[in-house]
Parts: sequence; structure tokens; C-alpha cells
Amino acid sequence: ELKVEQNPLFLSMQEGKNYTIYCNYSTTSDRLYWYRQDPGKSLESLFVLLSNGAVKQEGRLMASLDTKARLSTLHITAAVHDLSATYFCAGRSDNFNKFYFGSGTKLNVKP
Amino acid sequence: ETGVTQSPTHLIKTRGQQVTLRCSSQSGHNTVSWYQQALGQGPQFIFQYYREEENGRGNFPPRFSGLQFPNYSSELNVNALELDDSALYLCASSVQGLYNEQFFGPGTRLTVL
Repeated sequence: ELKVEQNPLFLSMQEGKNYTIYCNYSTTSDRLYWYRQDPGKSLESLFVLLSNGAVKQEGRLMASLDTKARLSTLHITAAVHDLSATYFCAGRSDNFNKFYFGSGTKLNVKP
Repeated sequence: ETGVTQSPTHLIKTRGQQVTLRCSSQSGHNTVSWYQQALGQGPQFIFQYYREEENGRGNFPPRFSGLQFPNYSSELNVNALELDDSALYLCASSVQGLYNEQFFGPGTRLTVL
């Protein structure tokens, strides 16, 4: 069974600072997803990463994938308060059509 | 383009009862997945439907069952409700293919008393 671990689970940072959220997964996953969830809301798709070395950027967020290390990162550049949310990574198991989510990283960006 | 919709928004049931949750997929999407999200946790994959058949299932007991209809909408049925079934139930639709990017509905909040 694919296990997905995120760290940190909680992140409090000042506006303007940079930080990285890490997502490790236990076995091969043929694709890696990042989502954002605001309190009381549903999940918003941010990125889908397919191949080793894949890098995608949207605004202040950049996601990357290293399939050899079984690691994906979500880098936040010059954080702003509007980025405060919970961020989830998820993988899909190689041989079975099953999706596994991490526990989430709750990000709080302080003005 | 209409996004993913779910009904009802909230639901209160008692232990032992049965519940049906509904999901309409985004236009052009042919695949529906269901997730259970307990408070403060990540979503847990229940199952996925494609072409009206279940084509992937997580670690949920058989009392969790589903359907997909020809218009790609879907239902999640839970029998013999237990207190631990209280959660946010999320539906996500996607297109089978390279990315399989999932778009989530607003969810149904189920409370079991």
C-alpha cells in the first residue's frame, strides 16, 4: 500500500518569507498531486506531476518531483496571507487505481 | 462549464440507518471518485467508478457501495451507519487519461448520532 507522508504538519511563517513543504511516498507512484483546502471548503487542484524532474509553477507556488527519491516538494516564495490554507499531496498507486493522501500541512502566513 | 456538485450539503442520521449521497460530475468528465475526510485528516479514498463500473477501491467495508449512471453522475450508499462514519464526503470527477486530474465537489457533511 502506498503511504504518503508530509512534513511539516503545521507551518507558521511571516509574509515575505520562503519555505518548502515535503511529501515522501513509500512505493512507486505514477503521478503526484498537490491540492489546497481552505477551512470548511473542498479541495482545489494545484499541480499534477508525472515524471522525474517535473517542475510546475503557478504564482508563488512551485512543485517538483523526484521519483528516485520518492519525494515531491511544494515551495512557497515570498508568502502572502492569502496562501494560508491546508496543503495536501497525494499519489496514485502504480498497479491499482487507488489514491492516497498525506495528512496535510496547515500553513498560516502571518502579516 | 458546470463544476462538480454534490447533494445534500449536510445530513444527520442515526446509527444503523442507511444514507445515499449524490454527485454530478463536471461536464466532459467520465470518472467519479469518492473520498471520506474526517475532521483534521486527509481524504481517504473509498472507490472510483468509470464506465459505470467500480475500477478501484480503498480499504472500506462492503457496506460502502456506489453506482455510476450513464450520464456519469454517481451515488455513494452507506448501510448500517456507525458513529465513525461521521465525516465530510467528497466526490471528485476526472477524465481517464494521462493526468487523471481530479476536480472536487463541495462535499456532504454527514453526522451520525
